[in-house]
Amino acid sequence: EVQLVESGGGLVQPGGSLRLSCAASGFTFSSYRMHWVRQAPGKGLVWVSRINSTGSSTSYADSVKGRFTISRDNAKNTLYLQMNSLRAEDTAVYYCARERLYDPSMDVWGQGTTVTVSS
Amino acid sequence: QSVLTQPPSVSAAPGQKVTISCSGSSSNIGNNYVSWYQQLPGTAPKLLIYDNNRRPSGIPDRFSGSKSATSATLGITGLQTGDEADYYCGTWDSSLSVYVFGTGTKVTVL
Repeated sequence: EVQLVESGGGLVQPGGSLRLSCAASGFTFSSYRMHWVRQAPGKGLVWVSRINSTGSSTSYADSVKGRFTISRDNAKNTLYLQMNSLRAEDTAVYYCARERLYDPSMDVWGQGTTVTVSS
Repeated sequence: QSVLTQPPSVSAAPGQKVTISCSGSSSNIGNNYVSWYQQLPGTAPKLLIYDNNRRPSGIPDRFSGSKSATSATLGITGLQTGDEADYYCGTWDSSLSVYVFGTGTKVTVL
């Protein structure tokens, strides 16, 4: 079964750091671009970041550029999101998602992990 | 703020049809494929439509997508109570080099 499972969310103080993980299974992880998408409570989907299949190319939303770092370990079939200098507005459910081969749609999603930034 | 604009809500009776619009620009919808996602309450998003009008395996043909210039449309026919959800369009923006989602539309079955 194709599956993505996020972990690492939790409560963190403003200015703190957190690393999210996304464990992939059931497909050849190293062949796919991967994304992080977040959703603040009661709000819509917001794209956060994308990484290519080898990890050599990344993209970020302006709101997280310079604070968040996406990376991957293809040997461990795992995607990461290192989040530094966290702000209250980063509070959200964070989803990892697989990008389809040959087009930028996201066809497999994890269940999400919740990040709360509060003092 | 999102660069893709959707109506906040649409509604119809069971069995009827609804359409959801998604308005963008030449740098996103105008030059890239559009996808549509369904998010049922309390769950992760699910891909409904890719490449403007193609359905992944398992998505019923009651769901359809189309694109014209810088706008896209999702259609749902034979509306069912299980279709009550939030729907989002999405595409790559070539100028910004980011993926963009629409503002989201809540579908209510009356």
